[in-house]
Amino acid sequence: ETGVTQSPTHLIKTRGQQVTLRCSSQSGHNTVSWYQQALGQGPQFIFQYYREEENGRGNFPPRFSGLQFPNYSSELNVNALELDDSALYLCASSLGGLRQQETQYFGPGTRLLVL
Amino acid sequence: GQNIDQPTEMTATEGAIVQINCTYQTSGFNGLFWYQQHAGEAPTFLSYNVLDGLEEKGRFSSFLSRSKGYSYLLLKELQMKDSASYLCAAMDSNYQLIWGAGTKLIIKP
Repeated sequence: ETGVTQSPTHLIKTRGQQVTLRCSSQSGHNTVSWYQQALGQGPQFIFQYYREEENGRGNFPPRFSGLQFPNYSSELNVNALELDDSALYLCASSLGGLRQQETQYFGPGTRLLVL
Repeated sequence: GQNIDQPTEMTATEGAIVQINCTYQTSGFNGLFWYQQHAGEAPTFLSYNVLDGLEEKGRFSSFLSRSKGYSYLLLKELQMKDSASYLCAAMDSNYQLIWGAGTKLIIKP
């Protein structure tokens, strides 16, 4: 157990809808990263937050957005869902501050299916 | 560009030893991580190397050669529960992880 939780575990949406995925990090972990993992692929970095500020972003369009809250929880929001957004969405928390070589601890993920 | 290469799939026998290789090209380098991921589950941390050499942790060992952009994960005394995907990830100059697609390891009795 990593102490990182995510909700919901599974979700089905239709194309064009909006979705919010939630993550609760380990207490004291100031950094949270979000990843998209398609079947049979490695995780793709979406973005990272450190103390409620975005700290880096991967090659994802602006319809992917996020928030981090002072209570170590965070959200990933996806607008105008597309079929290709179907994937496992993982959040990972780490203890360290900016620019540190910290191990990331993953939550169980949310599996999103877009029809 | 940034790239991680690892074999797609490997098969080994219970009780044997297997080595999973990973080569990486990143903009800057701040270490190499190995994660294990069982089907339908989240990745779990196995090892971290930032200096050249071998790090041993029980049945699992990880090796790094920075000059060659190369790492391997060595699994000894294989057990059926080791059947999983093994993900190699390099941390770049921005301290972001660049992930490989994973190596699916199949253990046969």
